[in-house]
Amino acid sequence: AQSVAQPEDQVNVAEGNPLTVKCTYSVSGNPYLFWYVQYPNRGLQFLLKYITGDNLVKGSYGFEAEFNKSQTSFHLKKPSALVSDSALYFCAVSPLNQAGTALIFGKGTTLSVSS
Amino acid sequence: KAGVTQTPRYLIKTRGQQVTLSCSPISGHRSVSWYQQTPGQGLQFLFEYFSETQRNKGNFPGRFSGRQFSNSRSEMNVSTLELGDSALYLCASSFSSGHSYEQYFGPGTRLTVT
Repeated sequence: AQSVAQPEDQVNVAEGNPLTVKCTYSVSGNPYLFWYVQYPNRGLQFLLKYITGDNLVKGSYGFEAEFNKSQTSFHLKKPSALVSDSALYFCAVSPLNQAGTALIFGKGTTLSVSS
Repeated sequence: KAGVTQTPRYLIKTRGQQVTLSCSPISGHRSVSWYQQTPGQGLQFLFEYFSETQRNKGNFPGRFSGRQFSNSRSEMNVSTLELGDSALYLCASSFSSGHSYEQYFGPGTRLTVT
């Protein structure tokens, strides 16, 4: 079965410090991977995606993600965290054994950035 | 460009009733997907519509159904509501249907079943 795991329910960082939100995946074939962010009482916002090519993907709001095929990971990173980055982050994969645009999401990681 | 809109934003229904939720995608987007978000199960895919045809369906009972109109607007219907159907229902649109297309989500409809 294809799946996504986010091993940390919560990540706490101080403003200005680098942040990492972890994601590992289990898929057959080449993965299509995504990161989304959800602010309270709002829908999900697309941050970035990995389809193919460079292992380091740059996205919105200064976020980037590193694809590592050997470790089946797709960790989200930011060099310097902001208090406004505090939100719920979801990693997702588009399963190749299904048609269309369906996403399988991880359980989510709450990022808390303190001032 | 306007984002994905969902109506209504909040809904309270009684067990056994049925409900219809509406979603208007971003202009030019032809694919609409629906997801259910609950604290226990997280985000789960319900179904996707593309060019008025159901492209894919998640693992939900037949009480959950949907449709898409020629202008790409979509509706989902839940019949015979159960308490466990209480959730945030999210609609997402994408330019086309396929694994590489990112989805843009609406704010969701919060459904409470009493």
